[in-house]
Amino acid sequence: AQKITQTQPGMFVQEKEAVTLDCTYDTSDPSYGLFWYKQPSSGEMIFLIYQGSYDQQNATEGRYSLNFQKARKSANLVISASQLGDSAMYFCAMREEGTGNQFYFGTGTSLTVIP
Amino acid sequence: KAGVTQTPRYLIKTRGQQVTLSCSPISGHRSVSWYQQTPGQGLQFLFEYFSETQRNKGNFPGRFSGRQFSNSRSEMNVSTLELGDSALYLCASSPGTGLRETQYFGPGTRLLVL
Repeated sequence: AQKITQTQPGMFVQEKEAVTLDCTYDTSDPSYGLFWYKQPSSGEMIFLIYQGSYDQQNATEGRYSLNFQKARKSANLVISASQLGDSAMYFCAMREEGTGNQFYFGTGTSLTVIP
Repeated sequence: KAGVTQTPRYLIKTRGQQVTLSCSPISGHRSVSWYQQTPGQGLQFLFEYFSETQRNKGNFPGRFSGRQFSNSRSEMNVSTLELGDSALYLCASSPGTGLRETQYFGPGTRLLVL
C-alpha cells in the first residue's frame, strides 16, 4: 500500500485565491511526522511546513498552513493568497518512527497559478 | 550557511558505464539521503547515511551504492548504467535522523544515459 497518496495530479488556482492540496497517509505507527515540499521547475526541493503526529495545533508558516485531520489520516496543504511564484510541484512526505524515520514521498501535485 | 551542494549538475553517460555523484551536506548535518526522481516513478528513496553508516536502503538493485565520509560528504555510484537510470538524483541532508528533522535538498544531478 502507498504510504502517501496525493490524488490531484494537477490543480489550477487564480492569483490571490486560496488553494488546498490533498494528502492522505497510511501508517499504524503512533509517532510520525508529515512534511510538505515545493519543487519549482528548477528542480530543487524546498521545505515548506512540518506537522508532528502529537502536535495539537495545525502547523502554519506564513501563507502555508497544514489542515491535519488525524482520524482521517489526512494532511492537506492550504496556500492562501496564491502568487504566480507558487506555480510548482508540491510533494507531501512522511517519516515514521517504526521504519527508522525513513522519508516516504507522494507522487506530487502540479499547481499552476493563473494571473 | 551554505546549502546542500551536488556535483556535477549535469552528466551524460552511455550504457554500461559507471558514474559517481557527489553531495556535500549543510555544515553540521550528519545525515545524507539520496533519491531518484523520474517522471514515471516519482521520487524514490535510494539510501540514507548517518555517521558513515547506511541506515536505510530503498528497493534498488546492487548497481546502486553509496558511502559517506567522516566529514559527512557522500557519494553515490551507479555501475553498468542502463537507459532507465536517466533521472534527477537528489541528495538531502538533515542534522540527524530524528522524527522532526527536516531534510534539506540540493539542486540535484541530472543524469542522461544514452
